[in-house]
Amino acid sequence: DAGITQSPRHKVTETGTPVTLRCHQTENHRYMYWYRQDPGHGLRLIHYSYGVKDTDKGEVSDGYSVSRSKTEDFLLTLESATSSQTSVYFCAISDPGRGYGYTFGSGTRLTVV
Amino acid sequence: GQQLNQSPQSMFIQEGEDVSMNCTSSSIFNTWLWYKQDPGEGPVLLIALYKAGELTSNGRLTAQFGITRKDSFLNISASIPSDVGIYFCAGHPQGAQKLVFGQGTRLTINP
Repeated sequence: DAGITQSPRHKVTETGTPVTLRCHQTENHRYMYWYRQDPGHGLRLIHYSYGVKDTDKGEVSDGYSVSRSKTEDFLLTLESATSSQTSVYFCAISDPGRGYGYTFGSGTRLTVV
Repeated sequence: GQQLNQSPQSMFIQEGEDVSMNCTSSSIFNTWLWYKQDPGEGPVLLIALYKAGELTSNGRLTAQFGITRKDSFLNISASIPSDVGIYFCAGHPQGAQKLVFGQGTRLTINP
């Protein structure tokens, strides 16, 4: 489904460097979310946005920041990457007016060495 | 925060067998959703349930919204190799906008 794309799909970075992951949607959905997925932990919410410039923290927000300057783009930044942030990151979108489910991107596999 | 208890965590079955998995919560949910994740991809919505007692099918998949609004199950009949993946339950707790996800059930099928 081309309505939501994540970039890059894979990235290897060094400890201590900043990293930005991008989520782009063409569905004009109001809500956007960033999750991380790790073995044994399922999907954990990092941050979410309920509109342009409106964001809030999820359950595992430490070490991450987000920005949403346009409806279609939601950026996740790792301020100073650590090995514990090695994970697969998923972006999701939703719009209460169009149903209750989330649509997920294909994910970004991030490795911090 | 809210938690969903999804079981089993993993299943190893033979092709052709039926599969059953469930999710429970200690609090009431307004919606229940079931997702499937293929390797290297994001979760994809399979079935959405909106009313207590609702039973919905999608091909060989059947899901039900528990009458107490605190549980849901997903059944897969006559499993085939492409059913392999991780299945997640999710739901909206009463009064909440964000989805809560279960830990996932990893399904492996032996041909």
